[in-house]
Amino acid sequence: ETGVTQSPTHLIKTRGQQVTLRCSSQSGHNTVSWYQQALGQGPQFIFQYYREEENGRGNFPPRFSGLQFPNYSSELNVNALELDDSALYLCASSGRKSPSYNEQFFGPGTRLTVL
Amino acid sequence: QKEVEQDPGPLSVPEGAIVSLNCTYSNSAFQYFMWYRQYSRKGPELLMYTYSSGNKEDGRFTAQVDKSSKYISLFIRDSQPSDSATYLCATDQTGANNLFFGTGTRLTVIP
Repeated sequence: ETGVTQSPTHLIKTRGQQVTLRCSSQSGHNTVSWYQQALGQGPQFIFQYYREEENGRGNFPPRFSGLQFPNYSSELNVNALELDDSALYLCASSGRKSPSYNEQFFGPGTRLTVL
Repeated sequence: QKEVEQDPGPLSVPEGAIVSLNCTYSNSAFQYFMWYRQYSRKGPELLMYTYSSGNKEDGRFTAQVDKSSKYISLFIRDSQPSDSATYLCATDQTGANNLFFGTGTRLTVIP
């Protein structure tokens, strides 16, 4: 069983540019969540996608947007990059097999540096 | 006020020690409580999850939730150098995985 994978591993961009990060969910998982983890901080929830629809959003501006594809993989897009967007971006996938808690599995993250 | 508060440490203990990690949270509606372990340059991995109040034990790890005081704890018995990592507490209101994380506590277990 393949785990959650993310690409690229590292990325360097300049202020004002746009970036797209990619995530492949674990086999059988239909829900993908994205988190931003600044250095020395815990992850912050950006948004979640379930069956290709946004299903919850944290306190992030609209220049953070996403997509989920029919195979449940996902993209995070960030427009008009700011220096404070420098962080580790984590993708996590989970199933929705039951109404009770479904464990969430994290990928290794994409390290974004904005200069 | 942040939803989840966690002492960032760092915390250094000798091998074999009992480690106590703690968090507090502000929203009484939170029902799901997790502890994640994150090694350097890796994504977090789930160690324990608890629903509502009570204790849960898994090997050397025990998670405790006290909803009356909004306090979450993780105890590690017989700590090992391989336990050296950052430990993150997290909470969730609905089980939908819109998680609120603490800052993380960096733990070093010295051989």
